[in-house]
Amino acid sequence: DADVTQTPRNRITKTGKRIMLECSQTKGHDRMYWYRQDPGLGLRLIYYSFDVKDINKGEISDGYSVSRQAQAKFSLSLESAIPNQTALYFCATSDLWERGSGRNEQFFGPGTRLTVL
Amino acid sequence: SQQGEEDPQALSIQEGENATMNCSYKTSINNLQWYRQNSGRGLVHLILIRSNEREKHSGRLRVTLDTSKKSSSLLITASRAADTASYFCATDPGGTSYGKLTFGQGTILTVHP
Repeated sequence: DADVTQTPRNRITKTGKRIMLECSQTKGHDRMYWYRQDPGLGLRLIYYSFDVKDINKGEISDGYSVSRQAQAKFSLSLESAIPNQTALYFCATSDLWERGSGRNEQFFGPGTRLTVL
Repeated sequence: SQQGEEDPQALSIQEGENATMNCSYKTSINNLQWYRQNSGRGLVHLILIRSNEREKHSGRLRVTLDTSKKSSSLLITASRAADTASYFCATDPGGTSYGKLTFGQGTILTVHP
């Protein structure tokens, strides 16, 4: 079974609808992240959470909200979807290694392709 | 502004050739990482190099880091068709933002059989 799962994998919705994307992980990591990917723009950080009680805005948080329900679950919501939120969304996790250890790689889910019409 | 910028944006080579991708960044870092993405899939971590390291190897991968020039390069030797993917650098600023990565725009590598 995959360590980081995302649901749904594909979603088509209409402008103004509320959408929730879910992420679950079995890696036991404290840290979780939400990114969006647009062609030619790489990945941009939406929100991140370093533990259950710690949630922070990323580079492009406007129009999005998140919920960290448990260590293993981190959900992303679009309160009122708009067409320019059409993108590929990724969840990722990482462990809390000591800062000098150099072992803070992130593990990515398979992505959710969201289309807003 | 983009922290990690990659060059070239696209690279097309023949199987067996070496592929070199470059990444430049603007602010100081704790470490720099390279990731690979097969079309439309999640990113996979390849290698991490710390700010006090100059070169690192992993299999056919060689990464260099020049903090004075704020640049890094990823070399894939003896490329294979299966190496066809997008490659991203990601910088970690360290400090209170340790672990918060900023990704570049990526290099699309195509390896022709």
